[in-house]
Amino acid sequence: QVQLVQSGAEVKKPGASVKVSCKASGYTFAGYYIHWVRQAPGQGLEWMAWISSGDTKYAQKFEGRVTVTRDTSRSTAYMELSRLRSDDTAVYYCARQILRNFDSWGQGTLVTVSS
Amino acid sequence: DIQMTQSPSSLSASVGDRVTITCRASQSIGANLNWYQQKPGKAPKLLIYAASTLQSGVPSRFSGSGSGTDFTLTISSLQPEDFAAYCCQQSYISPWTFGQGTKVEIK
Repeated sequence: QVQLVQSGAEVKKPGASVKVSCKASGYTFAGYYIHWVRQAPGQGLEWMAWISSGDTKYAQKFEGRVTVTRDTSRSTAYMELSRLRSDDTAVYYCARQILRNFDSWGQGTLVTVSS
Repeated sequence: DIQMTQSPSSLSASVGDRVTITCRASQSIGANLNWYQQKPGKAPKLLIYAASTLQSGVPSRFSGSGSGTDFTLTISSLQPEDFAAYCCQQSYISPWTFGQGTKVEIK
């Protein structure tokens, strides 16, 4: 079955960077887009970026601070967010796109930004 | 960006009730509307895509309707496991934006 397994929780200081991984299994990794979505405490879902086999797109809000990459040999996608602020504290999810929806999600990675 | 507005933001209901949640887009999105269920501490789960197509494995008490700017998620007979948050997402134009969510609580 399709599975996306994310890396563990992180605690970072303001101004630092964080890199979250998302390992896929149960399907052909190269054939699908991976999206990154975050959810601040008590808030709704916020789309951040997607990566295809050869292209990326970022939400304007995160342009210049977020980088998404993928390693097809490891079936793993990565999301790096730099210049962290306290309001970046959130659960970060990866999700697989199929057709025009997200049919599978990672379990989420809590990133806490605190001095 | 397309704004998605859900109503209500929360509701209280009893097991067996019929529940309706609405989602309105700030511009026409055709049928490019998805519904997700999210339980506390868990990732969202796809319920309905393309406005009205039930995702595989999702109980038939869930249904979706609408097109253009106005959409509805209906739970025909609320079950104990349905108490959760529900959110809509438009997938018409990037960025694929989400509604703010509707929390369904036990009355």
